[in-house]
Amino acid sequence: GEDVEQSLFLSVREGDSSVINCTYTDSSSTYLYWYKQEPGAGLQLLTYIFSNMDMKQDQRLTVLLNKKDKHLSLRIADTQTGDSAIYFCAERGSGGYNKLIFGAGTRLAVHP
Amino acid sequence: DSGVTQTPKHLITATGQRVTLRCSPRSGDLSVYWYQQSLDQGLQFLIQYYNGEERAKGNILERFSAQQFPDLHSELNLSSLELGDSALYFCASSVGRSGGSPTDTQYFGPGTRLTVL
Repeated sequence: GEDVEQSLFLSVREGDSSVINCTYTDSSSTYLYWYKQEPGAGLQLLTYIFSNMDMKQDQRLTVLLNKKDKHLSLRIADTQTGDSAIYFCAERGSGGYNKLIFGAGTRLAVHP
Repeated sequence: DSGVTQTPKHLITATGQRVTLRCSPRSGDLSVYWYQQSLDQGLQFLIQYYNGEERAKGNILERFSAQQFPDLHSELNLSSLELGDSALYFCASSVGRSGGSPTDTQYFGPGTRLTVL
């Protein structure tokens, strides 16, 4: 079945890099997404990667995709307190439809 | 600001009641999606409409229904409400419908928090 798994919690020091990991099950996924949710807010699209890419960089964000292992990671360089939020990995569900299958979310806590 | 608007922001109601949540997609987007976020189930896809027609259905209860109007706004109707329906309901929109191109990227609204007492 379709499933996306993430670790639930990550704590980093301000200025360090954060790496949030995700595994997914559907090998036919064309796009994989990272969304951010701040307390009391909606889901903000951070970035996405097409399945034929290994890496995508966007300012402080780097997405790595290992299609063989169905592993996706999001690296945030120079993590700031404003990066504290829940980060969701999502894959497109199978069947030719555009429903997103989300992981449980990783809560990132940034401390001084 | 994603450009997707949802009203109301908060809704408090009693068990057995019926409520309607409203969503306006980004300008130019034809697809509207509804998701439910709850503590025990996480983020779950409910239903998708594309240009007025139902496109895909997920874990949507029979007590719930949705529609998309000619002006492309959408409403999610929840009836015979139970305590377990308390959740954050998100609407998202995209240009396309299938997920095979960047135009299918979904942009989310701020959500409607429903509390059933």
